[in-house]
Amino acid sequence: AQSVTQPDIHITVSEGASLELRCNYSYGATPYLFWYVQSPGQGLQLLLKYFSGDTLVQGIKGFEAEFKRSQSSFNLRKPSVHWSDAAEYFCAVGFTGGGNKLTFGTGTQLKVEL
Amino acid sequence: EPEVTQTPSHQVTQMGQEVILRCVPISNHLYFYWYRQILGQKVEFLVSFYNNEISEKSEIFDDQFSVERPDGSNFTLKIRSTKLEDSAMYFCASRAQQADTQYFGPGTRLTVL
Repeated sequence: AQSVTQPDIHITVSEGASLELRCNYSYGATPYLFWYVQSPGQGLQLLLKYFSGDTLVQGIKGFEAEFKRSQSSFNLRKPSVHWSDAAEYFCAVGFTGGGNKLTFGTGTQLKVEL
Repeated sequence: EPEVTQTPSHQVTQMGQEVILRCVPISNHLYFYWYRQILGQKVEFLVSFYNNEISEKSEIFDDQFSVERPDGSNFTLKIRSTKLEDSAMYFCASRAQQADTQYFGPGTRLTVL
């Protein structure tokens, strides 16, 4: 069964600093990979996704992620964090077939210091 | 921009009571999902639904749970007899045909006392 690991439960960065959130997955083939963000009281908003092709994908709000097959990783990055980026970030893996369910990591809570 | 909506935003119930959580998926979507997130834990898949039947369910989705699309717009999750451990945030999601992205609603926080 597929699994997703987000090793960092909490991360604190200063506004303007760069950010990298880690995600590792375990799956027998190349999965579909997603990053979602959840602000307090809000639903899960899709930041970006990877299905195939270019391993560096761009998303909304200035985020990008890089798929590295050799490391089974899909880390999320942003060059300069804004205070409004404070939220919880979830990495998820999916695959075609059946109901196309998503398997989520435990999430990383991002705090931004002004 | 179309979005998935869920009602109520917060539901408090007594143990043993039945609850129905409601979702209105994006109008042209054909695949529907329920997930839950127990406080402090990861988001977990419950069930997927397509063409008026369950296409996949997790081991969490036991006989106490059921889903239904009673009309052309609503998608519901019923918990027949709630337990304390059912307290969680429940998310509905929907996906278009031939698409890979699920769009999530804001969630319903269920508190079982």
